[in-house]
Amino acid sequence: NAGVTQTPKFQVLKTGQSMTLQCAQDMNHNSMYWYRQDPGMGLRLIYYSASEGTTDKGEVPNGYNVSRLNKREFSLRLESAAPSQTSVYFCASSERRRGQTQYFGPGTRLLVL
Amino acid sequence: GQQLNQSPQSMFIQEGEDVSMNCTSSSIFNTWLWYKQEPGEGPVLLIALYKAGELTSNGRLTAQFGITRKDSFLNISASIPSDVGIYFCAGQGDSNYQLIWGAGTKLIIKP
Repeated sequence: NAGVTQTPKFQVLKTGQSMTLQCAQDMNHNSMYWYRQDPGMGLRLIYYSASEGTTDKGEVPNGYNVSRLNKREFSLRLESAAPSQTSVYFCASSERRRGQTQYFGPGTRLLVL
Repeated sequence: GQQLNQSPQSMFIQEGEDVSMNCTSSSIFNTWLWYKQEPGEGPVLLIALYKAGELTSNGRLTAQFGITRKDSFLNISASIPSDVGIYFCAGQGDSNYQLIWGAGTKLIIKP
């Protein structure tokens, strides 16, 4: 099993460009999450999906949209990238949303110029 | 909102030394998790704690869920070079399904 996979690994965007970060998990988990990680800070939750067909805002949702395409896949979209969105983005999944450990992908490093 | 204070921010230690780090919360948690992150990778779960007072070991690592439910500790005994990385605590409360994360403790081992 690959666990949680993310594509791309690296991306450089110009301000105003759009892109979609892809995430897939093969552990049959119900819940999936998108985080961003900035230097000196812990992980901050952008959006999560408790189960297929549902999505909810996390701590820092502004400037992002998500799609839970099916049970395996959860994508994060930046419609109009801004330099403040330069960060490392992590996708995670868990069996259920509450009291369950989350398993992380390797991350996508995004630079917005 | 809920906050987690994780300390220390960084530690410089000699190989073979024991390491201690902790997290404190402004509110009660029902779950405490400890993760390790190595450069270029996502966080990997080390220990999960689900009950106040619980003490759990994973090899040389030991973590405790504080009795007040507002803190947790991670100890690493006899550190080795592969222990370097950033250690994160994360907690989950009753009314909020999100994990709250500490800012991390960076562990550096002096040669």
